[in-house]
Amino acid sequence: QKEVEQNSGPLSVPEGAIASLNCTYSDRGSQSFFWYRQYSGKSPELIMSIYSNGDKEDGRFTAQLNKASQYVSLLIRDSQPSDSATYLCAVSGTSSARQLTFGSGTQLTVLP
Amino acid sequence: GAVVSQHPSRVICKSGTSVKIECRSLDFQATTMFWYRQFPKKSLMLMATSNEGSKATYEQGVEKDKFLINHASLTLSTLTVTSAHPEDSSFYICSATTNYNEQFFGPGTRLTVL
Repeated sequence: QKEVEQNSGPLSVPEGAIASLNCTYSDRGSQSFFWYRQYSGKSPELIMSIYSNGDKEDGRFTAQLNKASQYVSLLIRDSQPSDSATYLCAVSGTSSARQLTFGSGTQLTVLP
Repeated sequence: GAVVSQHPSRVICKSGTSVKIECRSLDFQATTMFWYRQFPKKSLMLMATSNEGSKATYEQGVEKDKFLINHASLTLSTLTVTSAHPEDSSFYICSATTNYNEQFFGPGTRLTVL
């Protein structure tokens, strides 16, 4: 059983729309949650971190965490073609808070 | 965000040679660094956890004698691929962890073994 699950996509949205990326995790004791963006051929880039229930906004990005449902999401408002990338959800474990478990990623394409 | 550098960015070598990859945290100290490899269109695969001043912890299936890791200081970890073979060709990426458990990734090293 995968510990962190994401819809693999591909997810396509038109430019200017809201892109919604979802992630569920199995370790109920997880405390830290992250979203990374990875362009093709590049390494992952941290775009959001969230530690408590609720919403966290940073520019066009909003991360949402619901620990009771073991669910974390990322909303991208006013999507741009430059947002086209693979988005990785990462969750820290209880056995090692520093080691992250990554989902397999959701490929997002923003159509001009 | 914190900056992690990785060197070299790309290396091509002959089969049987050893390749060393350096990972540096430039503006913070990292007691823990991680080494990943990634094949095209595949997920990140954690290879090992590198702890400053102690032996690395390798994931199941990763040969520790093949992939030597040294974390000599709070800002530097190295991965040496010994006696590289074509099947070792991959994208190797390191990351360093801040006190908030955020992992910042280096730009990666693309290894091609001929």
